[in-house]
Amino acid sequence: GAVVSQHPSWVICKSGTSVKIECRSLDFQATTMFWYRQFPKQSLMLMATSNEGSKATYEQGVEKDKFLINHASLTLSTLTVTSAHPEDSSFYICSARKASGIDTQYFGPGTRLTVL
Amino acid sequence: DQQVKQNSPSLSVQEGRISILNCDYTNSMFDYFLWYKKYPAEGPTFLISISSIKDKNEDGRFTVFLNKSAKHLSLHIVPSQPGDSAVYFCAARAGSQGNLIFGKGTKLSVKP
Repeated sequence: GAVVSQHPSWVICKSGTSVKIECRSLDFQATTMFWYRQFPKQSLMLMATSNEGSKATYEQGVEKDKFLINHASLTLSTLTVTSAHPEDSSFYICSARKASGIDTQYFGPGTRLTVL
Repeated sequence: DQQVKQNSPSLSVQEGRISILNCDYTNSMFDYFLWYKKYPAEGPTFLISISSIKDKNEDGRFTVFLNKSAKHLSLHIVPSQPGDSAVYFCAARAGSQGNLIFGKGTKLSVKP
């Protein structure tokens, strides 16, 4: 199979702090990883696309200085929400695309962020 | 501008009957379409896909139909089971390196 994990699964933090979310492809190498955000009853909104070893490409309206993405290896990408505020509270989901084989994205279980 | 639309936010079906989930798109460059299933507080799980060169793809109880001229696709689940109850997202992309564009999802409830 193709398994993608995220850690933590949920986090509660105080306003102004930074939170790091990890995304790992456990049994395959991912050339590209994606970070999505989902608000209640809304679609998955792509935030950024990251390729291993290069800078992430952010979607319009997403602040790159606020949502720091690092894709250090073919199996790990991290999203850091800096100086989090209550409006950043959301469900963050990562996905990974295999380097070879069927070109399908596999999603992680998501991380619920609540900023107080 | 929403390029992928799922106009029904919810659908309720009796167990054993057919569930039909619909999806419309506007971008004629889309050439690959996928359906994902999502349970609460979990990430989406890939269900079935279809290339624009086909008009039907079947996998067990799941069949996806594509009508390119109408820019419409549908997911048929038959027979529906209570375990199928989830939110179903339609997604589309243009080219093998294109990003997935998701619809807002349809919540399916299958009643025993």
